[in-house]
Amino acid sequence: GDSVTQMEGPVTLSEEAFLTINCTYTATGYPSLFWYVQYPGEGLQLLLKATKADDKGSNKGFEATYRKETTSFHLEKGSVQVSDSAVYFCALSDPTGKLIFGQGTTLQVKP
Amino acid sequence: ETGVTQTPRHLVMGMTNKKSLKCEQHLGHNAMYWYKQSAKKPLELMFVYSLEERVENNSVPSRFSPECPNSSHLFLHLHTLQPEDSALYLCASSQIGPGNTIYFGEGSWLTVV
Repeated sequence: GDSVTQMEGPVTLSEEAFLTINCTYTATGYPSLFWYVQYPGEGLQLLLKATKADDKGSNKGFEATYRKETTSFHLEKGSVQVSDSAVYFCALSDPTGKLIFGQGTTLQVKP
Repeated sequence: ETGVTQTPRHLVMGMTNKKSLKCEQHLGHNAMYWYKQSAKKPLELMFVYSLEERVENNSVPSRFSPECPNSSHLFLHLHTLQPEDSALYLCASSQIGPGNTIYFGEGSWLTVV
């Protein structure tokens, strides 16, 4: 079945460091791909999405490119802030529209 | 601003109690979901309602009983829960179909004592 694998955390960075969180997927067909973020004590918020190969999703300085050849959707940000500390979830949309999530990656940014 | 509202935000209940979680979406969506988030399994899909009909029930114990009276409201009725059911319960909604964004509420923190 469809699945999503994220790099294990926690990831600890200093402010202004470069961030990469790896995400790979297994799916039949061409799913839409998502990154969600969960700040402490809150629900999940959509961060960005991409619906077809080579699409780049971007929001709040975060970017991810849909790579069909490597079945990847890695999340990147050039300069992280303390306020980016959160749990990040990669997900794909299966043919029925349900989201299949990775296990989540905790990011902690230190001043 | 949130298009999906969950109440209560926090709930403590005994194992013999009966309580309900409520979810309301203001986005005009026609599909609604319950997810469970715990330390052991980050995000588990529990139930899916599409056009007010339950289309998925992922082997959830019968002590969890969902109800979807209309396309805007979703309930999760809880009875005789176990301490291991303590978790964050997330409601979500979307338009039916692949690739559509699913929007989440802020969740209801449940503690079973």
